[in-house]
Amino acid sequence: GENVEQHPSTLSVQEGDSAVIKCTYSDSASNYFPWYKQELGKRPQLIIDIRSNVGEKKDQRIAVTLNKTAKHFSLHITETQPEDSAVYFCAATKGGSSASKIIFGSGTRLSIRP
Amino acid sequence: SAVISQKPSRDICQRGTSLTIQCQVDSQVTMMFWYRQQPGQSLTLIATANQGSEATYESGFVIDKFPISRPNLTFSTLTVSNMSPEDSSIYLCSTETSGGTDTQYFGPGTRLTVL
Repeated sequence: GENVEQHPSTLSVQEGDSAVIKCTYSDSASNYFPWYKQELGKRPQLIIDIRSNVGEKKDQRIAVTLNKTAKHFSLHITETQPEDSAVYFCAATKGGSSASKIIFGSGTRLSIRP
Repeated sequence: SAVISQKPSRDICQRGTSLTIQCQVDSQVTMMFWYRQQPGQSLTLIATANQGSEATYESGFVIDKFPISRPNLTFSTLTVSNMSPEDSSIYLCSTETSGGTDTQYFGPGTRLTVL
């Protein structure tokens, strides 16, 4: 089955700097890759996603890149702000007409230093 | 996105007892998913619940321990049976949006503590 590895497990960056979180997946049939942000005591919230027919997607300060050949994808946050502090999870799934289970990475705890 | 609610939001239970968690969605959905998130850990899928059929359980999870009901297209329950302290976790339900976009949205979670 699918396996998703995520690095680093913790990341501390200076406010205003960029943060990068990397994930690899094992199943070449996976074609949908969402990223979730989970603040303390809250539910995971979808922040961005990418499908396998796209190499990059941006939404304001957040971008995700996908390398299908290498089976890895990354989350990039630019101009980090204190409210970016949270745990981030990458995930992979074989999307399609029937609901497919999502496999989550182990998470990255991002801390923004003032 | 779907609006998902869960009850209870938290509970403290004695070992050996059972707790039923409810998940309500504001629109009809095909699949609902139940996850467990142990303290400081990632999300682990327990089972997938399809209306009108038996839930499909992931490796390491069994129906006797985590029975699931799915009586209609907007509601599901997860029961944690014969609880032990190792069952202390956050339990979350999720569902896709209608139209099969693959995107899953989560309920607020139920924080369970077993003494």
